[in-house]
Amino acid sequence: RKEVEQDPGPFNVPEGATVAFNCTYSNSASQSFFWYRQDCRKEPKLLMSVYSSGNEDGRFTAQLNRASQYISLLIRDSKLSDSATYLCVIFNQAGTALIFGKGTTLSVSS
Amino acid sequence: DTGVSQDPRHKITKRGQNVTFRCDPISEHNRLYWYRQTLGQGPEFLTYFQNEAQLEKSRLLSDRFSAERPKGSFSTLEIQRTEQGDSAMYLCASSLVGLRLGPLHFGNGTRLTVT
Repeated sequence: RKEVEQDPGPFNVPEGATVAFNCTYSNSASQSFFWYRQDCRKEPKLLMSVYSSGNEDGRFTAQLNRASQYISLLIRDSKLSDSATYLCVIFNQAGTALIFGKGTTLSVSS
Repeated sequence: DTGVSQDPRHKITKRGQNVTFRCDPISEHNRLYWYRQTLGQGPEFLTYFQNEAQLEKSRLLSDRFSAERPKGSFSTLEIQRTEQGDSAMYLCASSLVGLRLGPLHFGNGTRLTVT
């Protein structure tokens, strides 16, 4: 099993739709979790951290399920500008290397 | 601009040549990471430094690759005897690690093309 797995998509949704991505991880000792956004040929940029209790930032909600070892990202009321690749990132243990998933591609159309 | 900066932005080299990339992290950050990314893939971890100490290296980092962070500030990544398979985007990122693990802040990357 790979350390971090994401459904690559693409997810094609209309404006205003709600879309959710999951990311599973294999190392139960993983400590910290993040979602990054990457636009084509650009560097990844932090979207949000993922906290144990779940957290929300505007239209974006992140959840952590330690028992099933996955994190999720929910985007409500999708905008055209949300079109990008979304990467989940896991600290593999106690603050060493961060492992990225391959990314999930989202395309929002009008 | 106080973000992470990388130099050069683009590098085209012939197979067998050596190349060196530079990364200047955010000044107060104590961790510096190098990643490699190819089209359609997520960034792959290469190595990271805590201050000047190189704490972890991926098995992707063959003996042709070497990274340094001599004074705990900027870092260099050198690739010797480049191969076409080395063509990729090389990303540098920094973070502040203390009681909590801070997120990574990435530079714009160096795009390497080996012909």
